[in-house]
Amino acid sequence: EVQLLESGGGLVQPGGSLRLSCAASGFTFSSYGMSWVRQTPGKGLECISTISASGGNTYYIDSVKARFTISRDNSKNTVHLQMNSLRAEDTAVYYCAKDRFIGDYDHWGQGTLVTVSS
Amino acid sequence: EIVLTQSPATLSLSPRERATLSCRASQSVFSFLAWYQQKPGQSPRLLIFDASNRATGIPARFSGSGSGTDFTLTISSLEPEDFAVYYCQQRSNWPFTFGGGTKVEIK
Repeated sequence: EVQLLESGGGLVQPGGSLRLSCAASGFTFSSYGMSWVRQTPGKGLECISTISASGGNTYYIDSVKARFTISRDNSKNTVHLQMNSLRAEDTAVYYCAKDRFIGDYDHWGQGTLVTVSS
Repeated sequence: EIVLTQSPATLSLSPRERATLSCRASQSVFSFLAWYQQKPGQSPRLLIFDASNRATGIPARFSGSGSGTDFTLTISSLEPEDFAVYYCQQRSNWPFTFGGGTKVEIK
Protein backbone atom coordinates (compact mmCIF):
# COMPACT_ATOMS: atom_id res chain seq x y z
CA GLU A 1 0.00 0.00 0.00
CA VAL A 2 1.33 3.40 -0.99
CA GLN A 3 1.73 5.77 1.94
CA LEU A 4 2.88 9.37 1.97
CA LEU A 5 3.38 11.01 5.35
CA GLU A 6 4.06 14.73 5.51
CA SER A 7 5.60 16.54 8.44
CA GLY A 8 7.05 19.93 9.24
CA GLY A 9 4.07 22.23 8.99
CA GLY A 10 3.15 24.79 11.61
CA LEU A 11 2.94 28.46 12.47
CA VAL A 12 5.71 30.74 11.24
CA GLN A 13 6.15 34.50 11.11
CA PRO A 14 6.33 36.35 7.79
CA GLY A 15 9.87 36.15 6.43
CA GLY A 16 10.53 32.91 8.29
CA SER A 17 11.38 29.44 7.03
CA LEU A 18 9.97 25.94 7.26
CA ARG A 19 11.06 22.61 5.86
CA LEU A 20 8.37 20.14 4.88
CA SER A 21 9.20 16.47 4.57
CA CYS A 22 7.32 13.58 3.01
CA ALA A 23 8.18 9.99 3.83
CA ALA A 24 7.08 7.56 1.14
CA SER A 25 6.53 3.81 1.26
CA GLY A 26 4.81 1.05 -0.67
CA PHE A 27 6.28 1.75 -4.10
CA THR A 28 9.63 2.06 -5.87
CA PHE A 29 10.27 5.65 -4.85
CA SER A 30 13.22 6.24 -7.17
CA SER A 31 11.04 5.48 -10.23
CA TYR A 32 8.52 8.28 -9.79
CA GLY A 33 8.40 12.02 -9.84
CA MET A 34 7.07 13.69 -6.73
CA SER A 35 5.22 16.96 -6.28
CA TRP A 36 4.00 19.41 -3.68
CA VAL A 37 0.44 20.69 -4.12
CA ARG A 38 -1.09 23.29 -1.85
CA GLN A 39 -4.70 24.17 -1.19
CA THR A 40 -6.30 27.33 0.08
CA PRO A 41 -9.95 28.39 0.23
CA GLY A 42 -9.16 31.36 -2.00
CA LYS A 43 -6.85 29.99 -4.70
CA GLY A 44 -7.89 26.35 -4.59
CA LEU A 45 -5.39 23.67 -5.57
CA GLU A 46 -1.97 24.67 -6.90
CA CYS A 47 0.85 22.40 -7.96
CA ILE A 48 3.73 24.51 -6.68
CA SER A 49 6.73 22.29 -7.33
CA THR A 50 7.69 18.99 -8.88
CA ILE A 51 10.88 16.93 -9.01
CA SER A 52 11.77 14.17 -11.43
CA ALA A 53 12.47 10.61 -10.34
CA SER A 54 16.22 11.11 -10.38
CA GLY A 55 16.04 14.56 -8.85
CA GLY A 56 17.72 16.05 -11.88
CA ASN A 57 14.79 18.21 -12.96
CA THR A 58 12.79 20.55 -10.78
CA TYR A 59 9.97 22.96 -11.53
CA TYR A 60 8.38 25.78 -9.56
CA ILE A 61 5.48 28.12 -10.03
CA ASP A 62 6.51 31.75 -10.35
CA SER A 63 5.18 32.81 -6.96
CA VAL A 64 7.54 30.47 -5.07
CA LYS A 65 10.53 30.47 -7.41
CA ALA A 66 13.74 31.54 -5.63
CA ARG A 67 12.04 31.11 -2.23
CA PHE A 68 11.19 27.38 -2.19
CA THR A 69 13.48 24.45 -2.98
CA ILE A 70 12.32 20.90 -3.64
CA SER A 71 14.72 18.01 -3.12
CA ARG A 72 14.62 14.27 -2.67
CA ASP A 73 16.70 11.53 -1.10
CA ASN A 74 16.12 8.29 -2.97
CA SER A 75 18.13 6.34 -0.39
CA LYS A 76 15.67 7.40 2.33
CA ASN A 77 12.46 7.55 0.23
CA THR A 78 11.85 11.13 1.22
CA VAL A 79 11.06 14.39 -0.55
CA HIS A 80 11.48 17.81 1.02
CA LEU A 81 10.26 21.33 0.43
CA GLN A 82 12.45 24.05 1.93
CA MET A 83 10.37 27.21 2.20
CA ASN A 84 12.13 30.52 2.85
CA SER A 85 10.94 34.12 2.98
CA LEU A 86 7.43 32.95 3.77
CA ARG A 87 4.51 35.26 3.12
CA ALA A 88 0.95 35.37 4.40
CA GLU A 89 -0.24 34.16 1.00
CA ASP A 90 1.76 30.94 1.46
CA THR A 91 -0.70 29.92 4.19
CA ALA A 92 -2.23 26.67 2.97
CA VAL A 93 -2.52 22.94 3.42
CA TYR A 94 0.49 21.41 1.68
CA TYR A 95 0.16 17.95 0.15
CA CYS A 96 2.90 15.65 -0.98
CA ALA A 97 1.80 13.75 -4.09
CA LYS A 98 3.20 10.88 -6.12
CA ASP A 99 3.20 11.38 -9.86
CA ARG A 100 1.26 8.72 -11.77
CA PHE A 101 3.05 10.02 -14.83
CA ILE A 102 4.43 13.51 -15.40
CA GLY A 103 1.88 15.92 -14.04
CA ASP A 104 -0.94 13.94 -12.48
CA TYR A 105 -1.08 12.47 -9.03
CA ASP A 106 -2.30 9.01 -8.09
CA HIS A 107 -1.50 9.12 -4.39
CA TRP A 108 -1.60 12.00 -1.92
CA GLY A 109 -0.48 12.49 1.63
CA GLN A 110 -2.86 13.64 4.34
CA GLY A 111 -1.61 17.22 4.12
CA THR A 112 0.19 19.49 6.55
CA LEU A 113 -1.01 22.98 7.46
CA VAL A 114 1.37 25.90 7.09
CA THR A 115 0.23 29.17 8.65
CA VAL A 116 2.23 32.33 8.03
CA SER A 117 1.20 34.99 10.50
CA SER A 118 2.63 37.38 13.05
CA GLU B 1 -0.72 29.66 -17.72
CA ILE B 2 -3.65 27.49 -18.79
CA VAL B 3 -6.87 28.37 -17.01
CA LEU B 4 -9.43 25.63 -16.40
CA THR B 5 -13.03 26.72 -15.88
CA GLN B 6 -15.42 24.24 -14.30
CA SER B 7 -19.19 24.41 -14.50
CA PRO B 8 -21.51 24.45 -12.80
CA ALA B 9 -20.03 25.56 -9.49
CA THR B 10 -22.66 23.51 -7.66
CA LEU B 11 -24.79 20.63 -8.88
CA SER B 12 -27.77 19.61 -6.75
CA LEU B 13 -28.90 16.09 -7.53
CA SER B 14 -30.52 13.08 -5.88
CA PRO B 15 -28.99 9.62 -5.47
CA ARG B 16 -29.29 7.47 -8.60
CA GLU B 17 -29.41 10.55 -10.83
CA ARG B 18 -26.83 11.19 -13.54
CA ALA B 19 -24.21 13.91 -12.97
CA THR B 20 -22.51 15.74 -15.81
CA LEU B 21 -19.61 18.04 -14.93
CA SER B 22 -17.81 20.28 -17.39
CA CYS B 23 -14.23 21.55 -17.61
CA ARG B 24 -13.09 24.03 -20.24
CA ALA B 25 -9.44 24.92 -20.89
CA SER B 26 -8.21 28.32 -22.07
CA GLN B 27 -6.12 26.57 -24.72
CA SER B 28 -5.77 23.01 -25.93
CA VAL B 29 -4.50 20.52 -23.39
CA PHE B 30 -4.87 17.66 -25.89
CA SER B 31 -5.97 14.70 -23.73
CA PHE B 32 -3.76 15.58 -20.77
CA LEU B 33 -6.59 16.13 -18.34
CA ALA B 34 -7.36 14.45 -15.03
CA TRP B 35 -10.32 14.48 -12.66
CA TYR B 36 -10.14 14.26 -8.87
CA GLN B 37 -12.69 13.83 -6.12
CA GLN B 38 -12.28 15.47 -2.72
CA LYS B 39 -14.44 14.92 0.34
CA PRO B 40 -14.36 17.20 3.40
CA GLY B 41 -11.24 16.69 5.48
CA GLN B 42 -9.69 14.35 2.92
CA SER B 43 -7.01 14.60 0.26
CA PRO B 44 -7.96 14.62 -3.41
CA ARG B 45 -8.36 11.22 -5.07
CA LEU B 46 -7.51 10.58 -8.71
CA LEU B 47 -10.55 9.36 -10.66
CA ILE B 48 -9.69 9.80 -14.34
CA PHE B 49 -6.39 10.44 -16.13
CA ASP B 50 -5.68 11.41 -19.73
CA ALA B 51 -9.31 12.46 -20.21
CA SER B 52 -10.95 9.04 -20.27
CA ASN B 53 -8.94 6.46 -18.33
CA ARG B 54 -10.22 5.34 -14.95
CA ALA B 55 -7.61 5.17 -12.21
CA THR B 56 -7.08 1.98 -10.26
CA GLY B 57 -10.08 0.99 -8.16
CA ILE B 58 -12.45 3.64 -9.56
CA PRO B 59 -15.97 2.32 -10.20
CA ALA B 60 -17.27 2.08 -13.75
CA ARG B 61 -20.01 4.64 -13.05
CA PHE B 62 -17.32 7.32 -13.41
CA SER B 63 -16.37 8.15 -16.98
CA GLY B 64 -14.50 10.95 -18.67
CA SER B 65 -14.58 12.28 -22.20
CA GLY B 66 -13.31 15.12 -24.33
CA SER B 67 -10.11 16.45 -25.86
CA GLY B 68 -8.61 19.79 -26.75
CA THR B 69 -10.44 22.38 -24.66
CA ASP B 70 -13.72 20.73 -23.60
CA PHE B 71 -14.02 17.86 -21.17
CA THR B 72 -16.78 16.10 -19.27
CA LEU B 73 -16.90 13.92 -16.18
CA THR B 74 -20.03 11.79 -15.98
CA ILE B 75 -21.27 9.87 -12.98
CA SER B 76 -23.90 7.57 -14.42
CA SER B 77 -25.87 6.96 -11.23
CA LEU B 78 -24.95 8.84 -8.06
CA GLU B 79 -24.19 6.81 -4.97
CA PRO B 80 -24.36 8.44 -1.51
CA GLU B 81 -20.55 8.42 -1.30
CA ASP B 82 -20.22 10.41 -4.56
CA PHE B 83 -21.40 13.70 -3.05
CA ALA B 84 -18.16 15.66 -2.96
CA VAL B 85 -16.16 18.31 -4.80
CA TYR B 86 -14.66 17.42 -8.17
CA TYR B 87 -11.64 19.08 -9.76
CA CYS B 88 -10.15 18.89 -13.22
CA GLN B 89 -6.40 19.36 -13.75
CA GLN B 90 -4.21 19.69 -16.83
CA ARG B 91 -0.68 18.39 -17.31
CA SER B 92 -0.14 19.67 -20.84
CA ASN B 93 1.91 22.74 -19.85
CA TRP B 94 3.79 23.76 -16.75
CA PRO B 95 2.50 25.09 -14.44
CA PHE B 96 0.05 22.24 -14.16
CA THR B 97 -3.23 23.84 -13.13
CA PHE B 98 -6.50 22.87 -11.51
CA GLY B 99 -10.01 24.07 -12.09
CA GLY B 100 -11.98 25.77 -9.34
CA GLY B 101 -14.11 22.71 -8.63
CA THR B 102 -17.71 21.59 -8.90
CA LYS B 103 -19.54 20.66 -5.73
CA VAL B 104 -22.02 17.83 -6.16
CA GLU B 105 -24.53 18.14 -3.34
CA ILE B 106 -27.59 16.20 -2.29
CA LYS B 107 -30.80 17.78 -3.49
